[in-house]
Order: sequence, then C-alpha cells, then structure tokens
Amino acid sequence: EVQLLESGGNLIQSGGSLRLSCAASGFTVSSNYMSWVRQAPGKGLDWVSLFYSGGSSYYADSVKGRFTISSDNSKNTLYLQMNSLRAEDTAVYYCARVRGDGYNNYYFDLWGRGTLVTVSS
Amino acid sequence: SYELTQPPSVSVYPGQTASITCSGDKLGDEYACWYQQKPGQSPVLVIYQDTSRPSGIPERFSGSNSGNTATLTISGTQAMDEADYYCQAWDTTTAGVVFGGGTKLTVL
Repeated sequence: EVQLLESGGNLIQSGGSLRLSCAASGFTVSSNYMSWVRQAPGKGLDWVSLFYSGGSSYYADSVKGRFTISSDNSKNTLYLQMNSLRAEDTAVYYCARVRGDGYNNYYFDLWGRGTLVTVSS
Repeated sequence: SYELTQPPSVSVYPGQTASITCSGDKLGDEYACWYQQKPGQSPVLVIYQDTSRPSGIPERFSGSNSGNTATLTISGTQAMDEADYYCQAWDTTTAGVVFGGGTKLTVL
C-alpha cells in the first residue's frame, strides 16, 4: 500500500530542536519530490519545505535558516530537522509526495496523517 | 510575496452547484490545484493542473483557471462534500508553494 507515516512530534520548549520523520511505503522517496506542510490549530495549510533527493531544497521564509529537510534513502524516509523553535511553529506537520513538472507545476498527491508539534513559550 | 485569496465561506443547497474562487495576480499563467480537507483528516487532492481530476475523485468536481482567478466547481453538491477547500500554486518568483487561506463549504 502506498502511504506516508509521520512521527517525532512532541511538546517542546521555545528555542528547542526536534526532528520529524516520514516513512514512505509503496514508492521510493529518492525518486520523488517530497514536501512538508503544516497546519496550526484551527488555521489553514502552510507550506514549509520542498525537496528532491540529490537536488534542490526550498523553504518558506518563515523557517529558512531554522529548518532543514533531508532524506535517508536506505530507510526510504524523509526528515525535517527543526531548530530554534518558536510558539508560532506549533502545528500538525504533514509529509506529502509531490508531483508535477519540476518547473512551475507542483502539487501534493499523497499525504500522511500528520504529527503534532507543540512549542511552549 | 505571492498571495492567493479565497472567500472564507460558501454555502450551497444539496444538488446545487458550488463555486469556490481563488484569486492571485496572473494566476492563469500558473498551474492551480485544489485540496479538500474534512475535520480531523488529512487534505485530499481533488483537482490538479487547473482541470485534471485524480483517480477516485467524482466527476462532479471540476476546475478552471484563467486571468487572475481559478475556480473549483462542484456540480450536484452532496452532503459529503461539506469540507474546507484550499487552492495552491507555485510562486516562480520566490520558488515556493503558496496556499490560499481556505474556504469552508457548507451544504445547507
């Protein structure tokens, strides 16, 4: 079955660090663009980062310099290293597979169930 | 930065047609897509590349994109279509994904 399973969410103090994981099954992470999208409680979708293994990484301005996206191809897993966390980073973090032309057409065709990150101030 | 604007809410009677708009500067020059999200669930892609429908999405969902506005149309709306809907595009200027603020569709 093709699916994504996030883990690593937790309650953490402001200024702390956390690493989220997203285990993929049924397809290969290294052959796809992958992304993280978050959703604060009661709010809309907020894009975080997009990545292609061995290629470019893109970040939202709000997380640039604090978050790093990466993958471990041997584990078929995507990661999001989050440093210098702030209260406004509190959200459910979704992992998503990206489709498109790699130029100006990107969309998310497969989503995980999400993992909750709560940053206390 | 590039912004996509959606109406906060849209209401429709069962069986009627619901239209949800997404506005952005020259959005028609980019590809737009749409997601449906029901309470407590992950988003689901319902329209991609302006007008394409993924496998398993009912034919009553359709999309268009021209000028500054992309539109998601749900024909013969059913109670199960009640959800939040988000548009999304790629901002080539900043090399980033942009989401609209979301529209809550209520089936009366």
